[in-house]
Amino acid sequence: SQQGEEDPQALSIQEGENATMNCSYKTSINNLQWYRQNSGRGLVHLILIRSNEREKHSGRLRVTLDTSKKSSSLLITASRAADTASYFCATDPKPGANSKLTFGKGITLSVRP
Amino acid sequence: KAGVTQTPRYLIKTRGQQVTLSCSPISGHRSVSWYQQTPGQGLQFLFEYFSETQRNKGNFPGRFSGRQFSNSRSEMNVSTLELGDSALYLCASSSGFLRDPVGNEQFFGPGTRLTVL
Repeated sequence: SQQGEEDPQALSIQEGENATMNCSYKTSINNLQWYRQNSGRGLVHLILIRSNEREKHSGRLRVTLDTSKKSSSLLITASRAADTASYFCATDPKPGANSKLTFGKGITLSVRP
Repeated sequence: KAGVTQTPRYLIKTRGQQVTLSCSPISGHRSVSWYQQTPGQGLQFLFEYFSETQRNKGNFPGRFSGRQFSNSRSEMNVSTLELGDSALYLCASSSGFLRDPVGNEQFFGPGTRLTVL
């Protein structure tokens, strides 16, 4: 089963608005990562937040992590039409024999010009 | 640094055939992971190779196999193709060092679109 579960599954907003996407997970993590995928292409790494961090910024992106609730959120401020894509959270478990990155099913973001 | 490259980009095969996909990781990366992406199942992990050894494996049948060479390049093979194998196959590389806090940050290639007729 997927470790990360994103919500909503789809989000449609107007250009200039903020987009907030959420991710919940089940087990202890080393870090959590967010990726973007434009239609039919490979994923692009956006931001990584470590388990001992609570918030991180990168340009118009803001990620929060609440390990007590096992959840993370990705905020894109002042969205642009070019932000239209699918967004995935991926959890990196604590180091061990089965330390593989596990992706959620993704959120489809549509930004209307 | 050059990014992750995958060949071929598109492939059309018929049921029963086999296929080999290739992935060249970012220079210096020792881990290569393979994923299958379909509209219905999303992004599913196939396997990961690190230093020529399979380190992790997903829940796919034995028809799916892979290997990694000494230069870290990896190949994935699917034998006896089925219609359900039609998908975008993504390869990702990372440093792969588990003690590195960002050792599992994945850099993806553009993918190989496989269509099985």
